[in-house]
Amino acid sequence: GNSVTQMQGQVTLSEEEFLFINCTYSTTGYPTLFWYVQYPGEGPQLLLKVTTANNKGSSRGFEATYDKGTTSFHLQKASVQESDSAVYYCVLPDDTNAYKVIFGKGTHLHVLP
Amino acid sequence: ETAVFQTPNYHVTQVGNEVSFNCKQTLGHDTMYWYKQDSKKLLKIMFSYNNKQLIVNETVPRRFSPQSSDKAHLNLRIKSVEPEDSAVYLCASSRGQSNTEVFFGKGTRLTVV
Repeated sequence: GNSVTQMQGQVTLSEEEFLFINCTYSTTGYPTLFWYVQYPGEGPQLLLKVTTANNKGSSRGFEATYDKGTTSFHLQKASVQESDSAVYYCVLPDDTNAYKVIFGKGTHLHVLP
Repeated sequence: ETAVFQTPNYHVTQVGNEVSFNCKQTLGHDTMYWYKQDSKKLLKIMFSYNNKQLIVNETVPRRFSPQSSDKAHLNLRIKSVEPEDSAVYLCASSRGQSNTEVFFGKGTRLTVV
């Protein structure tokens, strides 16, 4: 089956610093890839998604690029704000079941004022 | 704007008790899910229903049972809770298969004492 790997469990930044969250995946084909964000006290919500048709997704200042060569889907933001403090998940469809997705382990982002 | 509603928000109970969690979605989606989120924010799918049919049934203890009365409702019952059941239980829905956005509720936090 396919898999997704997020190595960074926790990232701490100061406001206006650059954010980079690493995500690599293993899959057959070229599925849609997702980033979800979970703010404190909330459920996860879609941040952005990318297909091979557009290769790049962006939302609220965040960007991710679908790199088939390195099988990576890193999340970036040029300048973080304290309100970006949340857990970020890299997600891809499960190729063993059409109704399942696979969540990465999540990266806790803490942005200091 | 929340469109997946879960009750209760919190529940504290003793080992061996039975608990039930309710979930309703107003998005008109065909697919609903239950996820378990542990203290490290790891998300694991437990069950998924599509048009009231069980389509994903992960390896969870038999004391967990989902109940679907219609497409908009998916409840979760735990017959005899154990300490390791302490977690946040997230209900979600989606329009269809795994390349579509998943919408989550805010979760029910269960504490077993």
